[in-house]
Amino acid sequence: QKEVEQNSGPLSVPEGAIASLNCTYSDRVSQSFFWYRQYSGKSPELIMSIYSNGDKEDGRFTAQLNKASQYVSLLIRDSQPSDSATYLCAVTSPFQKLVFGTGTRLLVSP
Amino acid sequence: EAGVAQSPRYKIIEKRQSVAFWCNPISGHATLYWYQQILGQGPKLLIQFQNNGVVDDSQLPKDRFSAERLKGVDSTLKIQPAKLEDSAVYLCASSFNSQGDEQFFGPGTRLTVL
Repeated sequence: QKEVEQNSGPLSVPEGAIASLNCTYSDRVSQSFFWYRQYSGKSPELIMSIYSNGDKEDGRFTAQLNKASQYVSLLIRDSQPSDSATYLCAVTSPFQKLVFGTGTRLLVSP
Repeated sequence: EAGVAQSPRYKIIEKRQSVAFWCNPISGHATLYWYQQILGQGPKLLIQFQNNGVVDDSQLPKDRFSAERLKGVDSTLKIQPAKLEDSAVYLCASSFNSQGDEQFFGPGTRLTVL
């Protein structure tokens, strides 16, 4: 079983729509959760971190965490073509390394 | 604030040759990470340093890969001898400390082994 799982996509949404990206993880004691955006040929860029159950909003981005279901998601409101990228979910447990999923490719069409 | 610096940005070598990558983390960041990212996959941790000590090198192929961070700042990652399957992007990241802190990545070095 993979430690962090994401649908590879691509997830296609029209401009202005809400994009919903999902991630599940296997380690129940995980406590730090991150979303990175990676444009083609570039390095990962941190866009959101979340540490407790519930929602965390930052501009057009909302991260949602449900530790009981071992599920973390990222919502992107008013999606723009510039949001087209691969979104990596990353999870860490106490004294453990950060583990990345394989990423979900998002395509936002004008 | 300057970000994580890496060099070179690109490197092409033949199999069995050696190669070295350099990283300078964000000033004040005690923890430095080297990741390998193969096309279509997420980054995989190779080695993690806390200051100049190794915290985790469980996924480092120690028969061919080595890394050091002698003065607790800059770091080098070496591959000797390189294999075809080492073709990947090598990413350096740093964080203020190691316990669940946000990690910030450098631009990476794209290695092609022919």
